[in-house]
Amino acid sequence: DTEVTQTPKHLVMGMTNKKSLKCEQHMGHRAMYWYKQKAKKPPELMFVYSYEKLSINESVPSRFSPECPNSSLLNLHLHALQPEDSALYLCASSLQTGHSGNTIYFGEGSWLTVV
Amino acid sequence: LAKTTQPISMDSYEGQEVNITCSHNNIATNDYITWYQQFPSQGPRFIIQGYKTKVTNEVASLFIPADRKSSTLSLPRVSLSDTAVYYCLVGGLTGGGNKLTFGTGTQLKVEL
Repeated sequence: DTEVTQTPKHLVMGMTNKKSLKCEQHMGHRAMYWYKQKAKKPPELMFVYSYEKLSINESVPSRFSPECPNSSLLNLHLHALQPEDSALYLCASSLQTGHSGNTIYFGEGSWLTVV
Repeated sequence: LAKTTQPISMDSYEGQEVNITCSHNNIATNDYITWYQQFPSQGPRFIIQGYKTKVTNEVASLFIPADRKSSTLSLPRVSLSDTAVYYCLVGGLTGGGNKLTFGTGTQLKVEL
C-alpha cells in the first residue's frame, strides 16, 4: 500500500488566519517532504524531514512552519500567508533520504487559496 | 544536482507507442532516474525507475544507454487516459537528504 494521505483537500484562508495542512503515511517511511506547486508549473521542494528531523529547508518564508510529530505524520502550519501563496501543496514520503533510488511517493495534495 | 531537459509537449494517437526522451548530461554516479506522471489537480504518480540498461513494468519501459546521459520512457499503446504531464527526475542526493527536483516536464496529449 503506497499511500500518502493529505487533509484537507481544499482550504480557503484569510491572510490573518492560522491553519495547518496534515499529511500521514503508514508505509514505515522515514523521510517526508513538502512540495508547493503553482498552476502549470512543476512541483518545487520546500522541506525535507529525515527521521523526524528537518534536514532541508529550501529558504522557505517563516510564514510556513513544518512539523514532524512522529515518523508517520507531517504538518505544515500556515500563518499570515499572502494571496501568492495560493497553490497545491504536496506531501511525499520515501523509505529514507540516503539513497537516490528510494522512490518518493506523493499524496494527492491540498489546494490552498489565500484570500 | 543533475538538471534534466525534456520536450515541452508531445502529441500522439490512441494505440501508438510514445517515447519521451530526457537529457541529463551531468548525472552523478549514484543517481537513479525516475519518471512520474501527473494529471491536473493530482499529485505526481510514480511510473518507473532505473539505474542503467532497461527496466520494464506493467505500464512502461525505461531505456538508459551506457553513458546514462539520457533516458527514454516508452509508453506502449497509449490511450486517452495517458494524457498527462510526464516528469523525468534524476538523483538529488545532498548532504541533507534527497532534493529531488522536478524539471519542466512533458505534456503528452493523446487523441482519438
